[in-house]
Amino acid sequence: GESVGLHLPTLSVQEGDNSIINCAYSNSASDYFIWYKQESGKGPQFIIDIRSNMDKRQGQRVTVLLNKTVKHLSLQIAATQPGDSAVYFCAETNPNFGNEKLTFGTGTRLTIIP
Amino acid sequence: GAGVSQSPRYKVAKRGQDVALRCDPISGHVSLFWYQQALGQGPEFLTYFQNEAQLDKSGLPSDRFFAERPEGSVSTLKIQRTQQEDSAVYLCASSLYEVGLSSYNEQFFGPGTRLTVL
Repeated sequence: GESVGLHLPTLSVQEGDNSIINCAYSNSASDYFIWYKQESGKGPQFIIDIRSNMDKRQGQRVTVLLNKTVKHLSLQIAATQPGDSAVYFCAETNPNFGNEKLTFGTGTRLTIIP
Repeated sequence: GAGVSQSPRYKVAKRGQDVALRCDPISGHVSLFWYQQALGQGPEFLTYFQNEAQLDKSGLPSDRFFAERPEGSVSTLKIQRTQQEDSAVYLCASSLYEVGLSSYNEQFFGPGTRLTVL
């Protein structure tokens, strides 16, 4: 079936460096892609989203890139901080189908090394 | 409240017991979602409400799972005759608008209820 998956389960980055988290998706009908951050014992927290008609979107210290040709998106976090340590999930949805249920990938655990 | 709240935060049940998990969405939010998150996995969709109407329950794993939102605000997820495979974190999320406006509405998640079935 359709799925959203990630390339790497874990990633360790030195504090202050930039990090890149990757995600592959297979549902060509996906219209929105969202990155969530989940800290231990908490629910997922929205970071940034991008619509399928865009290829790049920037937020505060984060950039999401979407490559529809190869069905790949990435989350770049600049100047990482200890508080960035968490599990990051990509998710996709298509509200045009009348349901905004999210389909999540399995997640990447990002560890920031002080 | 400021965000989505869920109770209890932790629940231990013996196999075969019934459990009820509560979700208080952000006040005024129309849409409410339930997700199940197994250990080390991403959340998986269970069911969706728009106000009091349950519009999609395709993700409920069996007829032991039942959800309701009778007054369009608080929601309860009930699991009957719990099994060990039901052990997971159950997440509730709400969003402000109804679905179908062809634009994505951010979902705000609660902290989840960790269910352990012995």
